[in-house]
Amino acid sequence: GAGVSQTPSNKVTEKGKYVELRCDPISGHTALYWYRQSLGQGPEFLIYFQGTGAADDSGLPNDRFFAVRPEGSVSTLKIQRTERGDSAVYLCASSLTGVFEETQYFGPGTRLLVL
Amino acid sequence: DAKTTQPNSMESNEEEPVHLPCNHSTISGTDYIHWYRQLPSQGPEYVIHGLTSNVNNRMASLAIAEDRKSSTLILHRATLRDAAVYYCILRGFSNDYKLSFGAGTTVTVRA
Repeated sequence: GAGVSQTPSNKVTEKGKYVELRCDPISGHTALYWYRQSLGQGPEFLIYFQGTGAADDSGLPNDRFFAVRPEGSVSTLKIQRTERGDSAVYLCASSLTGVFEETQYFGPGTRLLVL
Repeated sequence: DAKTTQPNSMESNEEEPVHLPCNHSTISGTDYIHWYRQLPSQGPEYVIHGLTSNVNNRMASLAIAEDRKSSTLILHRATLRDAAVYYCILRGFSNDYKLSFGAGTTVTVRA
C-alpha cells in the first residue's frame, strides 16, 4: 500500500516568508507526528496528532510554527516569518493508533531552505 | 527520558556481520528498545524492537543484555544498502508516542 507522502520534496523560500508543508499519512492511521532534522543530527519531535487534535505540541520551537489536521488525515505544518535557522528537513510519520510500542512510518521529508 | 549512547560510526565489509552496540544504563523496567535506521536522503525506517528477550526478524537480530543496560543490533550479512545511520531509542510509558532520536551510528559498508 501507499506509504507516507510529503509535499513538496524541496522548498526554497526567502527570510520572512510564509510556508506550508503537507503530509499525507498512511490511510487509517490515527496518529500523526512531525519531526525536524537539522544537518548531521537525529530528528527532533515537533508535534503529535491523535485524530484531529494536537495531543502534544511541546516540540514546536516558537509561535511561528503551527500545524493542523482538520479531518484527521492530511496534516499541514505552517511556518510564519521564516528565519534562516528554520532550514532543515521536516519529517512526517504516522502510526495506527499511537500507542508507545507501535512502529512509526516516515515519509521522505521536505527539505526547507530559507535564504 | 532515559538516554542511549552509541558510537558515532562503524565500518564493515560487504557480506560480513555488523554488531552495533547501544548503552542504556538508566533504562526502566517498562522501556522497550527500538532500532530505526535512516538511509541517505530518506526518512527513518523501523528495524526491530524488544523488551527482554533476543529478537530476530528478516532485517536484523537484537541481542539484549540480561541486565538490560545494553543491547546490540546485529546485521548478519551487510550489504551496500545497509549503509545508513542507525538509531537506538527507548520507548516506554514515560515518553509514550514520541521517538527521541540521538545522533545514531553511521554505518559504512565497503564493497
